Amino acid sequence: DTGVSQDPRHKITKRGQNVTFRCDPISEHNRLYWYRQTLGQGPEFLTYFQNEAQLEKSRLLSDRFSAERPKGSFSTLEIQRTEQGDSAMYLCASSLEEYGYTFGSGTRLTVV
Amino acid sequence: DQQVKQNSPSLSVQEGRISILNCDYTNSMFDYFLWYKKYPAEGPTFLISISSIKDKNEDGRFTVFLNKSAKHLSLHIVPSQPGDSAVYFCAASDSGAGSYQLTFGKGTKLSVIP
Repeated sequence: DTGVSQDPRHKITKRGQNVTFRCDPISEHNRLYWYRQTLGQGPEFLTYFQNEAQLEKSRLLSDRFSAERPKGSFSTLEIQRTEQGDSAMYLCASSLEEYGYTFGSGTRLTVV
Repeated sequence: DQQVKQNSPSLSVQEGRISILNCDYTNSMFDYFLWYKKYPAEGPTFLISISSIKDKNEDGRFTVFLNKSAKHLSLHIVPSQPGDSAVYFCAASDSGAGSYQLTFGKGTKLSVIP
């Protein structure tokens, strides 16, 4: 399978708990992006990695959010002390060329 | 402030006819535009793109038109097929910013009726 893989597909958590999502990009892709999509909205940019370096973060990414991409391979997105407003679809995408994005199927987070 | 606007939340078209999806943008720094298609429970899939140096790009049944002076682009699908039923997102980017991040509209749900 050469697509972008995200795990888990669904996560239900209680408010205040921490959650971590994983993204495995296409192996030769050096760029990796995280986006968030809430109901009725388009995806919104969260953060961008080139290899292992996190080069850009959106102001949407509060200090409760942290993302890593160790060794420039898979990436994790952690949300600490989850709030109901964090409920959304979290999408990962990778690319080799500037706009050659391939999106994963996303992780749907529900905070109860 | 929404920088990319898709003002029609939904559109219904008869099979075989033309589907026209519209998108407006406000940020004059945007110079690259893309259309994505999304089925439920899947991530967005790239359809077609256009650079601001062009006013038209065609790929099979899909054509994107860009009117820079009006800050408007449209996606034409001819002929429409039932498999085209999905949510279509317009996205824009400022290629000079370096990260190639995309700013998306809210999407238009296209229903193609057999």
